[in-house]
Amino acid sequence: DTAVSQTPKYLVTQMGNDKSIKCEQNLGHDTMYWYKQDSKKFLKIMFSYNNKELIINETVPNRFSPKSPDKAHLNLHINSLELGDSAVYFCASSQEGPNTIYFGEGSWLTVV
Amino acid sequence: GESVGLHLPTLSVQEGDNSIINCAYSNSASDYFIWYKQESGKGPQFIIDIRSNMDKRQGQRVTVLLNKTVKHLSLQIAATQPGDSAVYFCAENLSWGKLQFGAGTQVVVTP
Repeated sequence: DTAVSQTPKYLVTQMGNDKSIKCEQNLGHDTMYWYKQDSKKFLKIMFSYNNKELIINETVPNRFSPKSPDKAHLNLHINSLELGDSAVYFCASSQEGPNTIYFGEGSWLTVV
Repeated sequence: GESVGLHLPTLSVQEGDNSIINCAYSNSASDYFIWYKQESGKGPQFIIDIRSNMDKRQGQRVTVLLNKTVKHLSLQIAATQPGDSAVYFCAENLSWGKLQFGAGTQVVVTP
C-alpha cells in the first residue's frame, strides 16, 4: 500500500491555466507538506499543515493555494500557471514534531 | 542555503567499496537530521536519522556521524552496491517540521 500518494504523476499544461495536484496519506500522520524540487534537484518547503491548520507558508506566490479537507489529505491548487512553475512537486507527511518526513513519488509539472 | 551549482557534486565509487557522503548544515540550533536517498523518477526515501544529542547512529550498511562543533554530517555506506546509485540529501530540522535540504550528492556505483 502506498503511504503518501499524489496525483497526477505527470502534468503538462499551458501558461495561464489553473491546475490542482492531490495528495493523500494513509500513515495516520498529523502533519502534511508540499515541497518543490527545481531542475537542479534543490528541495524547498512550500507549505505545511498540521491537523488541517496551516503552520508553514514559505513566501510562496499567492497563486499557490493549499487546501486540507481533513488531516489525511492536502491538495495544491495553482492559478495562472507560469513557465517558472515547472518543477517536481512532492507531497509529504510526518507525525507532529521533529520526526521523519515521508515523501510521495512526486508530480512532474511542465508549463508550456 | 540554496544550491547555486549547475551540476550536482558526484561521488564515483567502485562496487564493494565504502562510500562517504559529506554535508555541512547551517543552523547550530538544529536538533534533528535526516539522510534521504532519491532514485531517478522517485521521491526522497528515508535512510537514517540522528538527533542532536547523539554523534553516531548505525543502520543496516549505513552509519551517520554528526559533528556539532563544525556543523558537519556524514553518511557512510558500507560495501556499496549498484542499487545504491542515487542522489543523497542531508536535511536539518530548522523548526517544527521545516526541513532544510542540502544540495544533494550524486552517487555513481561502478562495477
